[in-house]
Amino acid sequence: AQTVTQSQPEMSVQEAETVTLSCTYDTSESNYYLFWYKQPPSRQMILVIRQEAYKQQNATENRFSVNFQKAAKSFSLKISDSQLGDTAMYFCALTESNYQLIWGAGTKLIIKP
Amino acid sequence: DTGVTQSPTHLIKTRGQQVTLRCSPISGHKSVSWYQQVLGQGPQFIFQYYEKEERGRGNFPDRFSARQFPNYSSELNVNALLLGDSALYLCASSSGLPRGTGELFFGEGSRLTVL
Repeated sequence: AQTVTQSQPEMSVQEAETVTLSCTYDTSESNYYLFWYKQPPSRQMILVIRQEAYKQQNATENRFSVNFQKAAKSFSLKISDSQLGDTAMYFCALTESNYQLIWGAGTKLIIKP
Repeated sequence: DTGVTQSPTHLIKTRGQQVTLRCSPISGHKSVSWYQQVLGQGPQFIFQYYEKEERGRGNFPDRFSARQFPNYSSELNVNALLLGDSALYLCASSSGLPRGTGELFFGEGSRLTVL
């Protein structure tokens, strides 16, 4: 069965610092997709970044980048130059196909001024 | 462009009642998925519909049902409500069903409280 584990329930950093959120997963498939979603207090879930398992290059979106370690089944999110607006719940998610996402429990990220 | 819209945003029901939640996808999107998010947890997949057909179902009891209409909007129905059904119900739309290469767009959710 597919599982996604986020071991950090809450993290807190100062504005402008770099923070890394951890995610490990388990799947029996060789091809799959990994995502990081952000859920601000307003509740709407927003895609931050996605990674296709068959691509070795780590995905990057502006200040957001991932460290994808396929053999270790690890998928961490790095946020550089953190901003107050980055305060949110961050969820790691996995899908083998068809958008039926399996989600982690989330990490609450607090950016302090 | 209008995003994914869900209604109602908040509702309170009592045990044993029935509830219907509604979702309108982004214009042009043909796939709608429903997720249940209990407070403090990640979302759990309930249903996926594409072109008005059920394409996936999560591990939820038969009290949960859904359908998709010709205009691609969707309804989620929950019968015989239990206290444990209290959650944020999220609807997400996508343009199709390639293998996870696209993006899910989420609505703001319907917060259901069962007393």
